[in-house]
Amino acid sequence: EAGVTQSPTHLIKTRGQQATLRCSPISGHTSVYWYQQALGLGLQFLLWYDEGEERNRGNFPPRFSGRQFPNYSSELNVNALELEDSALYLCASSLEGPANEQFFGPGTRLTVL
Amino acid sequence: QQQVKQSPQSLIVQKGGISIINCAYENTAFDYFPWYQQFPGKGPALLIAIRPDVSEKKEGRFTISFNKSAKQFSLHIMDSQPGDSATYFCAASRGDSNYQLIWGAGTKLIIKP
Repeated sequence: EAGVTQSPTHLIKTRGQQATLRCSPISGHTSVYWYQQALGLGLQFLLWYDEGEERNRGNFPPRFSGRQFPNYSSELNVNALELEDSALYLCASSLEGPANEQFFGPGTRLTVL
Repeated sequence: QQQVKQSPQSLIVQKGGISIINCAYENTAFDYFPWYQQFPGKGPALLIAIRPDVSEKKEGRFTISFNKSAKQFSLHIMDSQPGDSATYFCAASRGDSNYQLIWGAGTKLIIKP
């Protein structure tokens, strides 16, 4: 069974640009979660999608947005990039609901110069 | 009331010793308590999880102890090995499907040979 995949592995952008990160969940999983992990820090919850709908959102500004497609894959968009957006962005998937095991992808390392 | 407080922030244990990481929560509605393990450059992976109907759960060298009255739970790693060196995250959630995991800040564990 294929795990959660994320692309790209690394992404380098400059301040003010937009970044798009992609995630494919495990087959059969309907929930997708996005987390930000700054270097050496914990996981900050960004967004949770299930069945194409945004279910919950963490304490991040509106320039962080995303969507979930009919095949349950997901996209995270970060507009007007700032230097402090540099982090590892992790995607996870689960069966419906976060009280089920979340399976994480390897992450996308975003660097903002 | 939404927080999960994890301690210590970092921990060094000799090979063969017992590693203990503690977490405390305030929301009495939480009923799912997982521990995740993260190696450098990888996404977190579920290690072990407990629900409050039991006070202890053991899987190999890893044990979760749960104290409902104190609203605390802890991870014990017996016979700690260098391969256990990683960052450990506790988390908590409610069983209903619209509540995301609340994560602890993480503990960086180093096992000295």
